[in-house]
Amino acid sequence: EPEVTQTPSHQVTQMGQEVILRCVPISNHLYFYWYRQILGQKVEFLVSFYNNEISEKSEIFDDQFSVERPDGSNFTLKIRSTKLEDSAMYFCASSVEVNVLTFGAGSRLTVL
Amino acid sequence: DQQVKQNSPSLSVQEGRISILNCDYTNSMFDYFLWYKKYPAEGPTFLISISSIKDKNEDGRFTVFLNKSAKHLSLHIVPSQPGDSAVYFCAASEYSGAGSYQLTFGKGTKLSVIP
Repeated sequence: EPEVTQTPSHQVTQMGQEVILRCVPISNHLYFYWYRQILGQKVEFLVSFYNNEISEKSEIFDDQFSVERPDGSNFTLKIRSTKLEDSAMYFCASSVEVNVLTFGAGSRLTVL
Repeated sequence: DQQVKQNSPSLSVQEGRISILNCDYTNSMFDYFLWYKKYPAEGPTFLISISSIKDKNEDGRFTVFLNKSAKHLSLHIVPSQPGDSAVYFCAASEYSGAGSYQLTFGKGTKLSVIP
């Protein structure tokens, strides 16, 4: 069964450092997303991406965040200067046209 | 502002019995509702969904009911099995343009099915 893969599974970084989280969406999907879940809280939408550009972003997705699809398969989330409150599980997801998103297993980011 | 609310953080059910997970929403623009299941160390996995034009959708042991007037939906699992033990997230979506669907999640309900 096709799946969304994410790397790394866990990243520990120092505050102020740049972090790149990587995702390989399902190959025939056209829409890509990043969500995050801070420990003990709900899963929150960050950004959606279609046709090589951001289609929507939340208030969380400020200038410190960026997304890129550098080639035909990868979809990355970059956090330029990490803060303590960026510590969370980051989920990549992809979809075709329907509402059903397929999520990856997540990348846990710990900012010290 | 919690647009999607799951008021029960946890639920314990005996194996073989019915599990009922509830969800309330406030945004009347939501037009599609989904349930996701999440095991520890894994991402949310799609379980079942329902369009706002329907009031019931069934898939095997899982049935989702939607009451639009009450802005309430529920997930019924019958019979419950120990493997159903997981965190269940209610999610709602509205079309946000360019084919993109932004999901708004509830906080989740942890279901424990006791053998």
